[in-house]
Amino acid sequence: GIQVEQSPPDLILQEGANSTLRCNFSDSVNNLQWFHQNPWGQLINLFYIPSGTKQNGRLSATTVATERYSLLYISSSQTTDSGVYFCAVGSGGSNYKLTFGKGTLLTVNP
Amino acid sequence: GAGVSQTPSNKVTEKGKYVELRCDPISGHTALYWYRQSLGQGPEFLIYFQGTGAADDSGLPNDRFFAVRPEGSVSTLKIQRTERGDSAVYLCASGTGSDTQYFGPGTRLTVL
Repeated sequence: GIQVEQSPPDLILQEGANSTLRCNFSDSVNNLQWFHQNPWGQLINLFYIPSGTKQNGRLSATTVATERYSLLYISSSQTTDSGVYFCAVGSGGSNYKLTFGKGTLLTVNP
Repeated sequence: GAGVSQTPSNKVTEKGKYVELRCDPISGHTALYWYRQSLGQGPEFLIYFQGTGAADDSGLPNDRFFAVRPEGSVSTLKIQRTERGDSAVYLCASGTGSDTQYFGPGTRLTVL
């Protein structure tokens, strides 16, 4: 099946810093989603972005499907941004079946 | 509006027992998914419903696991003869198709 690799595995920032999280995938996809799992375990959908660029406030994401990667940008980070960020992909006719990466654990210190 | 809800939030059971985990999707969502998340890992797909039928159950680990969605809304994941290896957080998600999936808070299952 499709492989999803996320980097870095861990990231520690000071409040106000910017960061870029990367997601590489091993095959073509037609479904890609970024999620934030907060410290209480709730998975929150950030972007549905199988291709192109989207922005939502301090967050933005870009997927270059032809090169099999996606980037999540976090600007002016806040302590509430802490948690695990997951990239999840789906492909072909069963693109509803998301394959998740192992995530990036982000800690934002005050 | 209300999000996806799951009950119970925590379930502790003994090895060999039967458990049921419930998911209430967002109203109007025809697609419903179950995933399982082990500590330190991303969620893993179990089963997908479109309406009342299980369109894809390829992620269920073995025949001890079964899920139903009889009226196309609420779903129940059923695990027979639980084993310690079944301990995990079971997540439910709903959506309108193959795009954005909205996740519930999960049920933490502990098998002693």
